[in-house]
Amino acid sequence: SQQGEEDPQALSIQEGENATMNCSYKTSINNLQWYRQNSGRGLVHLILIRSNEREKHSGRLRVTLDTSKKSSSLLITASRAADTASYFCATDASTSGSRLTFGEGTQLTVNP
Amino acid sequence: ETGVTQSPTHLIKTRGQQVTLRCSSQSGHNTVSWYQQALGQGPQFIFQYYREEENGRGNFPPRFSGLQFPNYSSELNVNALELDDSALYLCASSLSYHRGVEQYFGPGTRLTVT
Repeated sequence: SQQGEEDPQALSIQEGENATMNCSYKTSINNLQWYRQNSGRGLVHLILIRSNEREKHSGRLRVTLDTSKKSSSLLITASRAADTASYFCATDASTSGSRLTFGEGTQLTVNP
Repeated sequence: ETGVTQSPTHLIKTRGQQVTLRCSSQSGHNTVSWYQQALGQGPQFIFQYYREEENGRGNFPPRFSGLQFPNYSSELNVNALELDDSALYLCASSLSYHRGVEQYFGPGTRLTVT
């Protein structure tokens, strides 16, 4: 079963606009990660935020984490057509080792 | 490109058959994790191997088994294939099994069971 739930399931925006995707999860976590997947291919790691962090930036990406609400958001600023992909949040709640639990993803379409 | 390779790219099998999928980890990585991704869903953790030993397993039946070799490459074996086993199988390698270590995913093997 999936731990996380992404919202919305699908998002369509114009190039240059910002895209915000949300993720909720159920259990306490060690860290939360965001991944991108193009057309059913391999996953690309975007950013990792630890449970004691509240916000993290990487280029045009901004991730927030609210452990009290068990939620995270991914903001992509100034979107480009090349950002079109599925975006997944993944939580790591394991007590030993690292095993990721993924949500069902948000399909982002950026129209040129 | 992550340096993680998987073979084959696509595979079609018949229900009841057995299949072996292969993964070559990125240089220097001693940990490999396998995930199953059904169409339209997120990946689900199958198991993880660290230095040739299974280091955690998800909610998958015993007919899903694996191996890791001394060079840290890995195999996923599925026996008695069922239609629901049709999915994209992803492997990911990492420098260690510790929490918070980035996992690098391969391009996946698309398995179709008819």
